[in-house]
Amino acid sequence: SAVISQKPSRDICQRGTSLTIQCQVDSQVTMMFWYRQQPGQSLTLIATANQGSEATYESGFVIDKFPISRPNLTFSTLTVSNLSPEDSSIYLCSVIVGVSSEQYFGPGTRLTVT
Amino acid sequence: GNSVTQMEGPVTLSEEAFLTINCTYTATGYPSLFWYVQYPGEGLQLLLKATKADDKGSNKGFEATYRKETTSFHLEKGSVQVSDSAVYFCALSYNFNKFYFGSGTKLNVKP
Repeated sequence: SAVISQKPSRDICQRGTSLTIQCQVDSQVTMMFWYRQQPGQSLTLIATANQGSEATYESGFVIDKFPISRPNLTFSTLTVSNLSPEDSSIYLCSVIVGVSSEQYFGPGTRLTVT
Repeated sequence: GNSVTQMEGPVTLSEEAFLTINCTYTATGYPSLFWYVQYPGEGLQLLLKATKADDKGSNKGFEATYRKETTSFHLEKGSVQVSDSAVYFCALSYNFNKFYFGSGTKLNVKP
């Protein structure tokens, strides 16, 4: 199994600023994922972050808006840049671990942009 | 492309009622299928999974069978409890690499 923590758990930010979200895992993992969950909606994959390589972004998401760092096998950050109210969402990191390749999710970061 | 379609919610049931949440998928090849649950104020948790056709995943009284002929993975429970109130997400994945999630179905169980 894996225990994932995220910081901050929530934040209220002003338009035009940026927020960096941290994701810490209690074990080494190869693949980490960042998702966005807009209010009342499903999860949308933003990018896949592998240690030692550039993140792979999904259609509609770009590095300039969502830069990601993955300095080691237990940690990653997602920055949401130049915030607008449309960025108000819950941001989740997840990892896949174990021989069963089970996916675990962090508790999420609730971002509100005013 | 790959996609997952779930029945829209909310679904409201009385305690001990039978639950079905429909899930169908579009995919090429043979994906693995999952149900995740998100309890109020908590993160997503894996509820059950099936990795090949005709497999049945089960956990906590919930079941779902991987039906390739109908491209479905419907979630069922014989007798729901108030504590089952949550949002349920159907998902598919190839090689546990990239996951595609349905829109989620909110279940409300009343005593």
